[in-house]
Amino acid sequence: SQKIEQNSEALNIQEGKTATLTCNYTNYSPAYLQWYRQDPGRGPVFLLLIRENEKEKRKERLKVTFDTTLKQSLFHITASQPADSATYLCAPPYSGGYQKVTFGTGTKLQVIP
Amino acid sequence: DAGITQSPRHKVTETGTPVTLRCHQTENHRYMYWYRQDPGHGLRLIHYSYGVKDTDKGEVSDGYSVSRSKTEDFLLTLESATSSQTSVYFCAISETGDEKLFFGSGTQLSVL
Repeated sequence: SQKIEQNSEALNIQEGKTATLTCNYTNYSPAYLQWYRQDPGRGPVFLLLIRENEKEKRKERLKVTFDTTLKQSLFHITASQPADSATYLCAPPYSGGYQKVTFGTGTKLQVIP
Repeated sequence: DAGITQSPRHKVTETGTPVTLRCHQTENHRYMYWYRQDPGHGLRLIHYSYGVKDTDKGEVSDGYSVSRSKTEDFLLTLESATSSQTSVYFCAISETGDEKLFFGSGTQLSVL
């Protein structure tokens, strides 16, 4: 069955540095992948969607890459700020299932001033 | 923010009682979803709907039922609540189906 893996350990980085979060998937090949941000006590918020024919996608200080050979997506936040501290979720569609999205367990990012 | 409201925000109930959670949207989106979120498991899909009266099961649907009689409302019912159903429940909506989900604020459910 499909498997999505995000680093379950928290990532601590210094303000101003680039944060890089990893999402690995196995046993299938999603046509696209989404990234969401979740703050404590809140629902996830959509950030970016990248398709298999797009190697890279950018939005302001955010950048996502999608390597279908490595079965991996990387999520980068440049010039990180304390306000970027949150849990970031990787979300490809369900294997073989339409109109359904599955989520990784997320990586908690802490940006230290 | 997308117009999506979950009610109640918090609920404490006893084992064996039925519980209904409500999700209401004002965006007229076709697709609606119920997820539960637990430590170590992340978000797991319970049920989803692709139109009025059109629903299907997700990966953790046992013990749950749903109904959607109107575009704007999607109800999740725990037929006989168990302690394993203690969780945070999120409703989500999407215009296109599997892209750009908008989530509600969640319902914290405790089954004692």
